[in-house]
Amino acid sequence: GQNIDQPTEMTATEGAIVQINCTYQTSGFNGLFWYQQHAGEAPTFLSYNVLDGLEEKGRFSSFLSRSKGYSYLLLKELQMKDSASYLCAVRDSNYQLIWGAGTKLIIKP
Amino acid sequence: GAVVSQHPSWVICKSGTSVKIECRSLDFQATTMFWYRQFPKQSLMLMATSNEGSKATYEQGVEKDKFLINHASLTLSTLTVTSAHPEDSSFYICSARDQGGREEYFGPGTRLTVT
Repeated sequence: GQNIDQPTEMTATEGAIVQINCTYQTSGFNGLFWYQQHAGEAPTFLSYNVLDGLEEKGRFSSFLSRSKGYSYLLLKELQMKDSASYLCAVRDSNYQLIWGAGTKLIIKP
Repeated sequence: GAVVSQHPSWVICKSGTSVKIECRSLDFQATTMFWYRQFPKQSLMLMATSNEGSKATYEQGVEKDKFLINHASLTLSTLTVTSAHPEDSSFYICSARDQGGREEYFGPGTRLTVT
């Protein structure tokens, strides 16, 4: 079956760096996405990786290793507003998004 | 950037009634739209994939006669929850994929409460 694993919850301190890992096993691979979702709101797009390596976008970076079925989202200079759930999703061979359960990130002052 | 709207943003209805939720892509044409449901503290669950001009493809366990999907144009898809029950209370989110096909753009979601 298809499976995406990410930690349920993480805690970090304002101003610090946090890395959220995601491992996946899917039927086919057509890209990996990271979304941010605040409570009661719809997800918002953060990043997209289809080739191995690091994609940097401001304070957020995302890394992909297709051979290992692994990705991480790196958040730098954490701000209180970064408290949210972070969803990892993989597009499979049918071009459908397979979603992880999300990682709830708690930022403490 | 690409914008997807949903209407209404929240709705309360009585058990046994039907509710229609609209999903619109405002500045792009969406050949494919997706409908998700999300219960509190859970991840998104794909309900169905909707392609313009054709019947929706429902995920296993989703009743197609209860959740009616119509994708009549390249900018509009509707989800009708028929004979709603309290267990249908959830956050319903649509997304749209543009014709380039790389990214999904999400609507703001509709919170449905069935009393």
